[in-house]
Amino acid sequence: GAGVSQSPSNKVTEKGKDVELRCDPISGHTALYWYRQSLGQGLEFLIYFQGNSAPDKSGLPSDRFSAERTGGSVSTLTIQRTQQEDSAVYLCASSLEPLNTIYFGEGSWLTVV
Amino acid sequence: AQRVTQPEKLLSVFKGAPVELKCNYSYSGSPELFWYVQYSRQRLQLLLRHISRESIKGFTADLNKGETSFHLKKPFAQEEDSAMYYCALTGANNLFFGTGTRLTVIP
Repeated sequence: GAGVSQSPSNKVTEKGKDVELRCDPISGHTALYWYRQSLGQGLEFLIYFQGNSAPDKSGLPSDRFSAERTGGSVSTLTIQRTQQEDSAVYLCASSLEPLNTIYFGEGSWLTVV
Repeated sequence: AQRVTQPEKLLSVFKGAPVELKCNYSYSGSPELFWYVQYSRQRLQLLLRHISRESIKGFTADLNKGETSFHLKKPFAQEEDSAMYYCALTGANNLFFGTGTRLTVIP
């Protein structure tokens, strides 16, 4: 595609439910990143993929968070048993290769009520 | 460990005035630094990277290894510069961001 695509753009969920956020990177980009943007917290790194493997999962806040990438393309970020503090914008980004210029999606705005 | 510090959460300047957004970093290796910008209702995008040594939209940033700084500067601010600005540093496998500075240019 022309840019990084994320879905859903907005999601309201009840506390305790599971959510899945999807990221479709730019075609051919091998590196894929997930960040969380919270009010006043800036951009918090969550996880990075090189191909289908995740060499750096250090940013995942808890074991309720997981992510996978298949076929070197689409990635899914899953949050289990959502809590109110999970409310944020979840940003996905991709780059042609690691540490090259990264391109962001528009984000998925998650609200946990 | 790598860290990016942007000390100002909010910065307001008048149109035509000079603007400087501060960024300090800590990193044990040779850093590569970037500025990203997010305009209202737009996605986050690259503004400039230090290795390019270029000026984008009138903005420049010089890497000062002695002071471990990468401040973003523009001599004459414009209203369209109002946005959220993030300084970022490449780490071993990742791009680390500061907490951002919201710049408001007052007409």
